Amino acid sequence: GEDVEQSLFLSVREGDSSVINCTYTDSSSTYLYWYKQEPGAGLQLLTYIFSNMDMKQDQRLTVLLNKKDKHLSLRIADTQTGDSAIYFCAETSRDDKIIFGKGTRLHILP
Amino acid sequence: DVKVTQSSRYLVKRTGEKVFLECVQDMDHENMFWYRQDPGLGLRLIYFSYDVKMKEKGDIPEGYSVSREKKERFSLILESASTNQTSMYLCASRGHQRHQPQHFGDGTRLSIL
Repeated sequence: GEDVEQSLFLSVREGDSSVINCTYTDSSSTYLYWYKQEPGAGLQLLTYIFSNMDMKQDQRLTVLLNKKDKHLSLRIADTQTGDSAIYFCAETSRDDKIIFGKGTRLHILP
Repeated sequence: DVKVTQSSRYLVKRTGEKVFLECVQDMDHENMFWYRQDPGLGLRLIYFSYDVKMKEKGDIPEGYSVSREKKERFSLILESASTNQTSMYLCASRGHQRHQPQHFGDGTRLSIL
Protein backbone atom coordinates (compact mmCIF):
# COMPACT_ATOMS: atom_id res chain seq x y z
CA GLY A 1 0.00 0.00 0.00
CA GLU A 2 0.90 3.62 -0.01
CA ASP A 3 3.34 4.66 2.69
CA VAL A 4 5.62 7.54 3.57
CA GLU A 5 8.67 6.82 5.73
CA GLN A 6 10.88 9.25 7.60
CA SER A 7 13.20 9.01 10.57
CA LEU A 8 11.66 10.05 13.89
CA PHE A 9 14.43 12.22 15.33
CA LEU A 10 17.23 14.50 14.17
CA SER A 11 19.61 16.58 16.28
CA VAL A 12 21.55 19.45 14.70
CA ARG A 13 23.79 22.16 16.10
CA GLU A 14 22.62 25.73 15.72
CA GLY A 15 24.11 27.25 12.57
CA ASP A 16 24.62 23.90 10.83
CA SER A 17 22.45 22.57 8.00
CA SER A 18 19.63 20.16 8.76
CA VAL A 19 18.68 17.49 6.24
CA ILE A 20 15.42 15.63 6.77
CA ASN A 21 14.84 12.64 4.54
CA CYS A 22 11.69 10.91 3.36
CA THR A 23 10.82 7.97 1.12
CA TYR A 24 7.46 7.38 -0.51
CA THR A 25 5.96 4.47 -2.38
CA ASP A 26 3.41 5.80 -4.85
CA SER A 27 5.22 6.46 -8.12
CA SER A 28 2.13 8.20 -9.46
CA SER A 29 2.33 10.92 -6.81
CA THR A 30 2.24 14.26 -8.53
CA TYR A 31 2.85 16.52 -5.56
CA LEU A 32 5.00 16.10 -2.47
CA TYR A 33 4.81 18.38 0.53
CA TRP A 34 6.74 19.43 3.61
CA TYR A 35 4.82 20.63 6.66
CA LYS A 36 6.15 22.04 9.95
CA GLN A 37 4.42 21.58 13.31
CA GLU A 38 5.51 23.68 16.27
CA PRO A 39 4.57 22.54 19.80
CA GLY A 40 0.86 22.73 20.48
CA ALA A 41 0.02 23.98 16.99
CA GLY A 42 -1.37 22.65 13.74
CA LEU A 43 0.61 21.84 10.61
CA GLN A 44 2.00 24.73 8.62
CA LEU A 45 2.76 24.22 4.93
CA LEU A 46 6.44 24.95 4.29
CA THR A 47 6.78 24.08 0.64
CA TYR A 48 5.72 21.62 -2.02
CA ILE A 49 7.25 20.26 -5.19
CA PHE A 50 5.73 18.94 -8.37
CA SER A 51 6.97 15.54 -9.46
CA ASN A 52 8.47 16.85 -12.71
CA MET A 53 10.91 19.00 -10.72
CA ASP A 54 14.21 17.90 -9.18
CA MET A 55 14.81 20.79 -6.86
CA LYS A 56 13.05 23.76 -5.34
CA GLN A 57 14.69 26.48 -3.27
CA ASP A 58 13.01 29.04 -1.06
CA GLN A 59 15.31 31.16 1.11
CA ARG A 60 16.89 28.76 3.66
CA LEU A 61 14.87 25.78 2.44
CA THR A 62 15.95 23.43 -0.36
CA VAL A 63 13.82 20.49 -1.45
CA LEU A 64 15.42 17.72 -3.49
CA LEU A 65 13.41 15.04 -5.28
CA ASN A 66 14.86 11.79 -6.60
CA LYS A 67 12.00 10.16 -8.49
CA LYS A 68 13.96 7.05 -9.37
CA ASP A 69 14.58 6.23 -5.71
CA LYS A 70 11.30 7.84 -4.52
CA HIS A 71 13.32 9.94 -2.11
CA LEU A 72 12.51 13.46 -0.95
CA SER A 73 14.67 15.63 1.28
CA LEU A 74 14.36 18.98 3.01
CA ARG A 75 17.52 20.94 3.74
CA ILE A 76 17.39 23.84 6.18
CA ALA A 77 20.46 26.05 5.93
CA ASP A 78 21.84 27.87 8.99
CA THR A 79 19.49 26.10 11.39
CA GLN A 80 18.04 28.36 14.09
CA THR A 81 16.33 27.61 17.41
CA GLY A 82 13.03 28.63 15.81
CA ASP A 83 13.39 25.70 13.42
CA SER A 84 12.85 23.28 16.30
CA ALA A 85 9.64 21.45 15.36
CA ILE A 86 8.24 18.27 13.85
CA TYR A 87 8.54 18.10 10.07
CA PHE A 88 6.09 16.01 8.05
CA CYS A 89 6.63 14.72 4.55
CA ALA A 90 3.46 14.00 2.55
CA GLU A 91 2.44 12.76 -0.89
CA THR A 92 -0.79 12.88 -2.86
CA SER A 93 -2.44 9.48 -3.06
CA ARG A 94 -4.25 7.80 -5.95
CA ASP A 95 -7.65 8.66 -4.45
CA ASP A 96 -6.77 12.32 -4.10
CA LYS A 97 -6.02 12.26 -0.39
CA ILE A 98 -2.70 13.13 1.22
CA ILE A 99 -0.57 10.47 2.90
CA PHE A 100 1.59 11.80 5.73
CA GLY A 101 4.75 10.39 7.21
CA LYS A 102 4.92 10.10 11.00
CA GLY A 103 7.07 13.19 11.27
CA THR A 104 10.73 13.94 12.12
CA ARG A 105 11.35 15.81 15.36
CA LEU A 106 14.17 18.29 14.80
CA HIS A 107 16.11 19.17 17.94
CA ILE A 108 18.54 22.10 17.89
CA LEU A 109 21.68 21.84 20.00
CA PRO A 110 23.27 25.09 21.28
CA ASP B 1 -3.86 33.73 3.57
CA VAL B 2 -6.06 30.74 4.25
CA LYS B 3 -7.55 30.74 7.72
CA VAL B 4 -8.80 27.52 9.29
CA THR B 5 -10.26 28.06 12.73
CA GLN B 6 -11.00 25.35 15.26
CA SER B 7 -13.40 26.42 17.96
CA SER B 8 -11.40 25.20 20.97
CA ARG B 9 -7.69 24.72 21.63
CA TYR B 10 -8.31 22.57 24.71
CA LEU B 11 -11.38 20.59 25.72
CA VAL B 12 -12.09 18.26 28.62
CA LYS B 13 -15.13 15.98 28.53
CA ARG B 14 -16.41 12.94 30.35
CA THR B 15 -16.87 9.39 29.13
CA GLY B 16 -20.23 8.92 27.43
CA GLU B 17 -20.74 12.58 26.57
CA LYS B 18 -21.58 13.70 23.04
CA VAL B 19 -18.79 15.98 21.89
CA PHE B 20 -18.78 18.48 19.03
CA LEU B 21 -15.59 19.82 17.48
CA GLU B 22 -16.11 22.71 15.10
CA CYS B 23 -13.98 23.88 12.19
CA VAL B 24 -14.48 26.90 9.94
CA GLN B 25 -12.49 27.95 6.87
CA ASP B 26 -12.65 31.30 5.11
CA MET B 27 -11.36 30.42 1.63
CA ASP B 28 -14.46 28.86 0.06
CA HIS B 29 -12.68 25.49 -0.10
CA GLU B 30 -14.63 22.50 -1.31
CA ASN B 31 -12.63 19.90 0.60
CA MET B 32 -12.40 19.59 4.37
CA PHE B 33 -10.76 16.95 6.55
CA TRP B 34 -10.61 15.76 10.14
CA TYR B 35 -7.51 13.99 11.49
CA ARG B 36 -6.40 12.80 14.86
CA GLN B 37 -2.74 12.88 15.86
CA ASP B 38 -1.26 10.52 18.41
CA PRO B 39 2.38 9.98 19.45
CA GLY B 40 4.03 7.35 17.30
CA LEU B 41 1.04 7.06 14.98
CA GLY B 42 1.27 10.31 13.07
CA LEU B 43 -1.87 11.76 11.46
CA ARG B 44 -4.80 9.47 10.79
CA LEU B 45 -7.74 10.53 8.64
CA ILE B 46 -11.12 10.21 10.34
CA TYR B 47 -13.55 11.71 7.81
CA PHE B 48 -13.47 14.09 4.90
CA SER B 49 -15.96 15.99 2.79
CA TYR B 50 -15.83 17.02 -0.87
CA ASP B 51 -18.82 19.33 -0.76
CA VAL B 52 -21.76 20.49 1.32
CA LYS B 53 -23.74 17.58 2.77
CA MET B 54 -21.20 15.10 1.40
CA LYS B 55 -18.98 12.98 3.62
CA GLU B 56 -16.59 10.10 3.16
CA LYS B 57 -15.06 7.77 5.74
CA GLY B 58 -11.36 7.98 6.25
CA ASP B 59 -9.12 5.35 7.80
CA ILE B 60 -10.54 5.39 11.35
CA PRO B 61 -14.19 6.53 11.31
CA GLU B 62 -15.45 4.25 14.10
CA GLY B 63 -16.92 6.20 16.99
CA TYR B 64 -17.14 9.43 15.00
CA SER B 65 -19.56 11.17 12.69
CA VAL B 66 -19.41 14.47 10.79
CA SER B 67 -21.70 17.21 9.56
CA ARG B 68 -21.24 19.61 6.64
CA GLU B 69 -24.34 21.75 6.41
CA LYS B 70 -22.50 24.81 5.11
CA LYS B 71 -19.47 24.98 2.87
CA GLU B 72 -17.30 26.80 5.38
CA ARG B 73 -18.05 24.59 8.39
CA PHE B 74 -17.14 20.97 9.06
CA SER B 75 -18.06 19.48 12.42
CA LEU B 76 -16.68 16.32 14.01
CA ILE B 77 -18.98 14.53 16.45
CA LEU B 78 -18.01 11.97 19.05
CA GLU B 79 -21.31 10.18 19.61
CA SER B 80 -20.37 8.75 23.02
CA ALA B 81 -16.90 9.81 24.05
CA SER B 82 -14.47 7.18 25.31
CA THR B 83 -11.04 7.50 26.91
CA ASN B 84 -9.33 6.12 23.79
CA GLN B 85 -10.55 9.19 21.92
CA THR B 86 -8.27 11.42 23.97
CA SER B 87 -6.09 12.95 21.28
CA MET B 88 -5.11 16.01 19.28
CA TYR B 89 -7.70 16.68 16.56
CA LEU B 90 -6.71 18.60 13.44
CA CYS B 91 -9.00 20.08 10.82
CA ALA B 92 -7.80 20.95 7.31
CA SER B 93 -9.25 22.40 4.13
CA ARG B 94 -8.20 22.36 0.49
CA GLY B 95 -9.38 23.83 -2.78
CA HIS B 96 -10.83 21.64 -5.53
CA GLN B 97 -7.65 21.24 -7.55
CA ARG B 98 -5.64 18.15 -6.73
CA HIS B 99 -2.29 19.93 -6.48
CA GLN B 100 -3.44 22.38 -3.88
CA PRO B 101 -2.06 21.65 -0.41
CA GLN B 102 -4.14 21.17 2.70
CA HIS B 103 -4.25 24.04 5.18
CA PHE B 104 -4.57 23.20 8.86
CA GLY B 105 -6.14 24.73 11.92
CA ASP B 106 -4.24 24.98 15.22
CA GLY B 107 -5.77 21.78 16.57
CA THR B 108 -7.99 20.85 19.50
CA ARG B 109 -6.44 18.86 22.31
CA LEU B 110 -9.30 16.76 23.64
CA SER B 111 -9.15 14.89 26.94
CA ILE B 112 -11.82 12.36 27.84
CA LEU B 113 -11.96 11.57 31.55
